[in-house]
Parts: sequence; structure tokens; C-alpha cells
Amino acid sequence: QKEVEQDPGPLSVPEGAIVSLNCTYSNSAFQYFMWYRQYSRKGPELLMYTYSSGNKEDGRFTAQVDKSSKYISLFIRDSQPSDSATYLCAQGPGGGADGLTFGKGTHLIIQP
Amino acid sequence: EPEVTQTPSHQVTQMGQEVILRCVPISNHLYFYWYRQILGQKVEFLVSFYNNEISEKSEIFDDQFSVERPDGSNFTLKIRSTKLEDSAMYFCASADQNTGELFFGEGSRLTVL
Repeated sequence: QKEVEQDPGPLSVPEGAIVSLNCTYSNSAFQYFMWYRQYSRKGPELLMYTYSSGNKEDGRFTAQVDKSSKYISLFIRDSQPSDSATYLCAQGPGGGADGLTFGKGTHLIIQP
Repeated sequence: EPEVTQTPSHQVTQMGQEVILRCVPISNHLYFYWYRQILGQKVEFLVSFYNNEISEKSEIFDDQFSVERPDGSNFTLKIRSTKLEDSAMYFCASADQNTGELFFGEGSRLTVL
């Protein structure tokens, strides 16, 4: 079973706040986890990807994987109005050949 | 910056008609994909393509769907006889074989009347 679950929101926070976005997954075999950002009527844009467990940081964004609880998170520090978008988590086997399984996406609104 | 390009951006068609959606993947990528997103729903995997053949396909990708790489640059998705429920945004993606990162095009919106 390849399910990735994500609260669709909307999640509305004031500018400057720390945002926490979360997903759960069911397939323990797949080790690659991605976060995509999707603006309205645009294609998903890769933000970050991680392999297996642990944290990965890139500027204001931190991705975290907890394999024991099958939980993946994206933290956004110092959130900006331009961060307003839908954030999709995805899981895949890596290596390129197989498709990703996406969560439904969380609609994030950063209030100026 | 290299990008995946898709045409048309929007196509309206009558039920039962054939539709071809076109994609130009990033030039040095070897893995190609089609996904679709019905309005308000998840991005769903349709098919992956490598070395001129289908690598994997989902249950959505039935006999009405086909993919082709007719030349060195284009990657197409054909829907043979469209149904109302085929109305969706169709995204093409290509992957960097070294990192596995997927890069998406901006999508082709298909409306079946």
C-alpha cells in the first residue's frame, strides 16, 4: 500500500511565524521523501528532499523524517507572504524509475 | 535554467475525442513521467518511461492511455477516447538520474465536455 496522508488545511498564520507542515506515510520500503510547493495553476516545484531519517536544512526550510512514527515534517522559519502556496509531501523509492506518491497538499496562507 | 515545457496549456475537447498532450523534458534527463491532478484532489502518478519503454504505470493508466517518445526531445501522452472524468491538469515531469529529483512542467489543463 502506498498512501501518504496530509491535512489539506487551509493553514493560516501571520507573517514571521514558524510554520509546521506534516504528513504520515504507510510504505516503509520507500526511503525518499520530498516536499513540493505548488502555486495556483502551476506545476509542483521541488523544495527539498531527504533520504531515510533525520533532518535537512536549506535556508528557512527544514525537512525532518521520523521513520519510527512514519512522520515527515517541513518547517518554515520567518514565514513570508510569498510562501503562501500548497505544500505537497511525496514519497518514493528513489532511483528515478518509479513514480512518487503524493499527499493531497496543505494550503498555506501567510497573512501580511 | 532548464525546465520542462508542456503544450497546450489548456485544451477543451468533446467526449470521445482523441487528445495528445506534449512535453519537452529537460534535455539530459532520462526518466520521464506523467501525473494528473483532478481539481481539488491529489497529484496522481500515471506512468513512468525509461529507455523508450514504460517502467511503471498506475491503475489509472488503462488501455485508453498511451505514451510515446517520437523523437529525441518530445514525450507525449495520448488519450484515445476521452471521458468526462479525464478532465484534469496533466503534469509532465523528468528526473535527474543522479539525484532522482523530479522536475515538473506547468501542466496542461484538459477539459472534456
